[in-house]
Amino acid sequence: EDQVTQSPEALRLQEGESSSLNCSYTVSGLRGLFWYRQDPGKGPEFLFTLYSAGEEKEKERLKATLTKKESFLHITAPKPEDSATYLCAVLPGGGYQKVTFGTGTKLQVIP
Amino acid sequence: NAGVTQTPKFRVLKTGQSMTLLCAQDMNHEYMYWYRQDPGMGLRLIHYSVGEGTTAKGEVPDGYNVSRLKKQNFLLGLESAAPSQTSVYFCASSYSTGAPTDTQYFGPGTRLTVL
Repeated sequence: EDQVTQSPEALRLQEGESSSLNCSYTVSGLRGLFWYRQDPGKGPEFLFTLYSAGEEKEKERLKATLTKKESFLHITAPKPEDSATYLCAVLPGGGYQKVTFGTGTKLQVIP
Repeated sequence: NAGVTQTPKFRVLKTGQSMTLLCAQDMNHEYMYWYRQDPGMGLRLIHYSVGEGTTAKGEVPDGYNVSRLKKQNFLLGLESAAPSQTSVYFCASSYSTGAPTDTQYFGPGTRLTVL
């Protein structure tokens, strides 16, 4: 069974204090790994898709990386508006497969 | 483009009542999904559709039914609501499940409380 584990569950940073969120996964033949941002009371907002180990993608202060067992979401010099829950999800290979989501990391950035 | 929209945004039901949640997308996506999100748990797939007129069960389908009569709409029905169905429901859509078009885009959610 596919599994996604995100750590830490919650993270509190000072503005400007860089850090990383972890997503460990077990999946049969990864076809894609997704990162989403979710603000309170809203739907998940797509950030990145990674397809193969070694791949990296960046967007503003966020950079996502992928290995064969885990993905990291690096946040450089975060701002209060980066506060949100970040979700990781994996899509197995081989025909139609369902996406498995992690429970998320709740990030709070303090001014 | 509005993307993925959901109605209603909030609803309170009594046990045993029925209701339908509507999801609409204007991105011409083939695939549509219904998820529920509960505290401490990841998004769980209820039902999905791979095209107009086709639906399939996901991870937690019991107590729910769906229909996809038009490509842009995906309906989720609760025939006899139970307190265990209190949750936030999200609809999502994607072009397909073939990279790089398999990214799912989500609606804003419907918060349902069953008393």
